[in-house]
Amino acid sequence: GAGVSQTPSNKVTEKGKYVELRCDPISGHTALYWYRQSLGQGPEFLIYFQGTGAADDSGLPNDRFFAVRPEGSVSTLKIQRTERGDSAVYLCASSLTGVQAFGTDTQYFGPGTRLTVL
Amino acid sequence: KNQVEQSPQSLIILEGKNCTLQCNYTVSPFSNLRWYKQDTGRGPVSLTIMTFSENTKSNGRYTATLDADTKQSSLHITASQLSDSASYICVVAGYGGSQGNLIFGKGTKLSVKP
Repeated sequence: GAGVSQTPSNKVTEKGKYVELRCDPISGHTALYWYRQSLGQGPEFLIYFQGTGAADDSGLPNDRFFAVRPEGSVSTLKIQRTERGDSAVYLCASSLTGVQAFGTDTQYFGPGTRLTVL
Repeated sequence: KNQVEQSPQSLIILEGKNCTLQCNYTVSPFSNLRWYKQDTGRGPVSLTIMTFSENTKSNGRYTATLDADTKQSSLHITASQLSDSASYICVVAGYGGSQGNLIFGKGTKLSVKP
C-alpha cells in the first residue's frame, strides 16, 4: 500500500472488554513496531516484530496486552480486560529492515487508533 | 539509563520567525539521531536522520545539528509557517539492546501564530 494504515481510527469500549487493533504495514517492510502515545507525550514502545516473530516485547505493560503478526505483514494488537488507563493513541510503524543502527532504515508511522475505555 | 530530553516543552512563535528546538540524550553507544514532525491526530513523519559523523543536515526550512561529543542536537526552523504547528520529536538510536534500538523524547509542541 501507499503507507501504513490502522483500523479502526477510533475505538470506544467499556472497561473489562476485549479489543483488537489492526495495522497494515507498507508492503515489503520486515519490521513492525507498536507504540502507545498519551496526550502530550512521545510514543512509548510496546513491541517490535522482525517478520513473524516478536523480536522485543519488553514494552508490553502486562499480560493483558498481546500482539501477533502471523504472516509477517498485518499485525494485530490485542488488549484483554481493558482498563481506563489503557486509553491512548496506539501507533503502528513499519520499516524496511528494522536495522536502526546505520541510520538508513526510516520508520513510517500510521495515523494511529484512538482507544477510549469508559 | 538511556534517555532523550527535549526542550522547551512547548513554544509559541509568530509566523515568519525562526526558532530552535533542543534535544539532549544519554543514549550510549550512540548510532544516529532522528527528528520527527507529528501533526495533531497524525503519526510522526521523519524529517532528518543523522549519524554520529554528521554535524548538520537540512530538509527544506528545517536544519538539524548534532554534537555527538556533548550529546546534543537542535532543530532549527527558518521562516516559520502556520503549517509548522506540530509536535517535534527527537529519537535516538543506539547499538545493541532492543526495541529496534530507538529511544523517543516527549516532544516539543510548536504553535505558529499569524
